[in-house]
Amino acid sequence: EMQLVESGGGLVQPGRSLRLSCEGSGFSFDDYALHWVRQAPGKGLEWISSISWKSDRVEYADSVKGRFTISRDNAKNSLYLQMDSLSAEDTAFYYCAKDPLSYFGSGTYFDLWGQGTLVTVSS
Amino acid sequence: DIQMTQSPSSLSASVGDRVTITCRASQSISVFLNWYQQRPGKAPKLLIYTASTLESGVPSRFSGVGSGTDFTLTISSLQPEDFGTYYCQQTSSKVFTFGPGTKVDLK
Repeated sequence: EMQLVESGGGLVQPGRSLRLSCEGSGFSFDDYALHWVRQAPGKGLEWISSISWKSDRVEYADSVKGRFTISRDNAKNSLYLQMDSLSAEDTAFYYCAKDPLSYFGSGTYFDLWGQGTLVTVSS
Repeated sequence: DIQMTQSPSSLSASVGDRVTITCRASQSISVFLNWYQQRPGKAPKLLIYTASTLESGVPSRFSGVGSGTDFTLTISSLQPEDFGTYYCQQTSSKVFTFGPGTKVDLK
């Protein structure tokens, strides 16, 4: 069974950092681009970042650019999101999602999602 | 960035009803429009991609049409497991934006 499992969420103080992980299983992890999407409690979905299969292309939403860094380690079947300078506005469930192709672009879609991990930014 | 709107924002329907949700883009996105379903407390699930292609395993009561700026998701006969929130997503630009969602609940 294809699966993505996020971890690393929790309570963090404003201005601090947190690193999320997403481990894939049941598919050839290194064949596919990956994405991070977040959802503030009770709110809608917000795409925040994408990475190609060999990390040679990354993109960020303006809301996180310069503060968040996406990366992956294909040897460990893992995707990461390093989040720095966190603020209350970053409080959300964070989902990782799989792309059907190696490179994301026009026409892409997210065909497998993890269950999400909650990040709460509060003093 | 391309802005997405959805209507209605919520609707109440009964099992067996035909349900239609509309998504509009602020500029043409060709057919680069996806639909996701999110049940309460669960992760989103892909239903339809590139406007009208049904994802494998998704029941045929779901269908999508549209191109350019206007798109529609239709559920031909609403089932109990279909209640939840539906999101459209454009992937025409490098910033992948979602619509605000349409909540479908039980009348």
